[in-house]
Amino acid sequence: KQEVTQIPAALSVPEGENLVLNCSFTDSAIYNLQWFRQDPGKGLTSLLLIQSSQREQTSGRLNASLDKSSGRSTLYIAASQPGDSATYLCAVRRGGNTGKLIFGQGTTLQVKP
Amino acid sequence: NAGVMQNPRHLVRRRGQEARLRCSPMKGHSHVYWYRQLPEEGLKFMVYLQKENIIDESGMPKERFSAEFPKEGPSILRIQQVVRGDSAAYFCASSRDSNEKLFFGSGTQLSVL
Repeated sequence: KQEVTQIPAALSVPEGENLVLNCSFTDSAIYNLQWFRQDPGKGLTSLLLIQSSQREQTSGRLNASLDKSSGRSTLYIAASQPGDSATYLCAVRRGGNTGKLIFGQGTTLQVKP
Repeated sequence: NAGVMQNPRHLVRRRGQEARLRCSPMKGHSHVYWYRQLPEEGLKFMVYLQKENIIDESGMPKERFSAEFPKEGPSILRIQQVVRGDSAAYFCASSRDSNEKLFFGSGTQLSVL
């Protein structure tokens, strides 16, 4: 059974810091992995998607890496800003014929001005 | 290009009533997914549909819950005879293809009195 764990559960940093959020999964047979952010009371915003054959994806100040063999992904946020404050979720997809994303519990990030 | 549209935003029902949640996918997206987020829990997959077809309903409770995505119109998640335990945020997502990013709506918050 696939389980997704995110560490830490919460993180508070001063503005401008670079930071890394961690995601681990127990079954390396994944189709892809996606990072989302969720703002309080709102839906999820897709940040980055990494296919199983890829090692990393970048978008602006965000960089996500994937190491399938060790069951790990990281989301790197450069030069953090107060607007980055949100809950960050990673989710793995087992196969293309299933819509089932298995989500981690999330890391709640607070960036202090 | 409007995002995934869900309505209503908030829905209040008394025990035993029916709840109907609607989801219009992004333009050009024919894959729809429903997820549920219970208080203090992570997002859990419910069902994956393509136009007129249920592809994966492995996360749907066996009774009282049903979903459809007709040829015309929005996808509907229907909960019959609601109970207090059905109170949750229900999120819909859509994608253009099965291996592409999922885009989420803002959710419907269901409260059962």
